Parts: sequence; C-alpha cells; structure tokens
Amino acid sequence: GAVVSQHPSWVICKSGTSVKIECRSLDFQATTMFWYRQFPKQSLMLMATSNEGSKATYEQGVEKDKFLINHASLTLSTLTVTSAHPEDSSFYICSAPKRDREGTGELFFGEGSRLTVL
Amino acid sequence: AQSVTQLGSHVSVSEGALVLLRCNYSSSVPPYLFWYVQYPNQGLQLLLKYTTGATLVKGINGFEAEFKKSETSFHLTKPSAHMSDAAEYFCAVSLNQAGTALIFGKGTTLSVSS
Repeated sequence: GAVVSQHPSWVICKSGTSVKIECRSLDFQATTMFWYRQFPKQSLMLMATSNEGSKATYEQGVEKDKFLINHASLTLSTLTVTSAHPEDSSFYICSAPKRDREGTGELFFGEGSRLTVL
Repeated sequence: AQSVTQLGSHVSVSEGALVLLRCNYSSSVPPYLFWYVQYPNQGLQLLLKYTTGATLVKGINGFEAEFKKSETSFHLTKPSAHMSDAAEYFCAVSLNQAGTALIFGKGTTLSVSS
C-alpha cells in the first residue's frame, strides 16, 4: 500500500525557535498534500492544503506566516512552525491523496509529528 | 457545507460484544464517507469508505458500515470486539468528489475490557 512518512516523529524545542516537519510520499507522487493539527483527545483540524509548485491554501484562522508550507517536489511537503510558542505544541499529521482504481482518491496519513515547545 | 457528528466520545464494550460507533453527517453534495482508526501517537489508518454503489461497506479487521441516506448516518459496527480494537475512531466526510480533503468528526474512543 501507499506510504506517507513524516519526520521527525518527536521534537522538543525552545520557545522562539523554528521547527521544520517533513512529509514524504514514498511510493507515489502527490501534487497535493494536507496538513492537520490534532490537540490531545480531539479531532484533526485541517490547517492547510499544500500544492506542488504553488502557494499553499490555508484554512480560516490559520496564520500563514506562522505555519510556512513548502511543496517543493511531487513527493515532499514541509511545514515550518516559525517562532514557536508553547501554544503551538500539538500533534501535526500530514496526508497525501492517491487515486485508486475507482478514480476517487484515498488519503494516506503520515505517522504524525509531536511538537513540544518549552 | 459538510460536517460530521459522532455520538458518544467514549464507548466501552466487553471482549466479544458488538461494537457500534455512531456517525451522522451533513453534506450539500452526495457524500463520500470514511472511517479511520488511530492508535496512540500514530497516524490514521483507513478502515473503510463509502463512495457510490452498495450501501453496506466492509472494511478491514471485521468492521463494516452502512450508508443510510434517509438517516444521514454511517454507523460503524463489528460483531465481536477484540482487545486490539481499543483505539480512537474517526468518521469523516469528503469535501470534494475526489474523496480528499476530509472533515473529521471529534472521534470516539473505544475501550474493550476482558
């Protein structure tokens, strides 16, 4: 099956620093990837849609300058949390759609990246 | 607009008992519906999905769900719970016909006791 990999899976950083999270589709190409944020015991909230070769589309309420997204190739999207603060601590999950036989897309999810900002 | 409501944030069953996780949706277009499972500190794994055709959908690990348009429901069931089924379950509706960009429900934690 299709595999989406995230790195790092765990990261701890000091307040004010920036952290980059990578999302890779390992065996298929993805012109679009999605970034979700999940707070403890809560659902996934769509943050933004990453588009290869163009600007990301952000959901309402998500700060573009805070969460920088770059989709530089068909297999890699990155999320950079800039000037991180404790309230940015969360579980970040990426996903990438792969077309199936029916012509619809199935989303494959990365393992998630847990960010803790001290 | 699309939305998903999962009734019951926590469901507890005994091993071998029926599992029923409820999901109701709202969609302005014919919905694509999904159930995902999440184990602690892991990403999501697709259990099953409904796109078109047969309304009773069978998925992995013995789970199935039935799309009922009249009730706007897509409840997840399993005849006999296993300890390994203990996890977080999310119902989701697609924002588009491609079945990507999902809106998730708040999730239901399934506990299985021996």
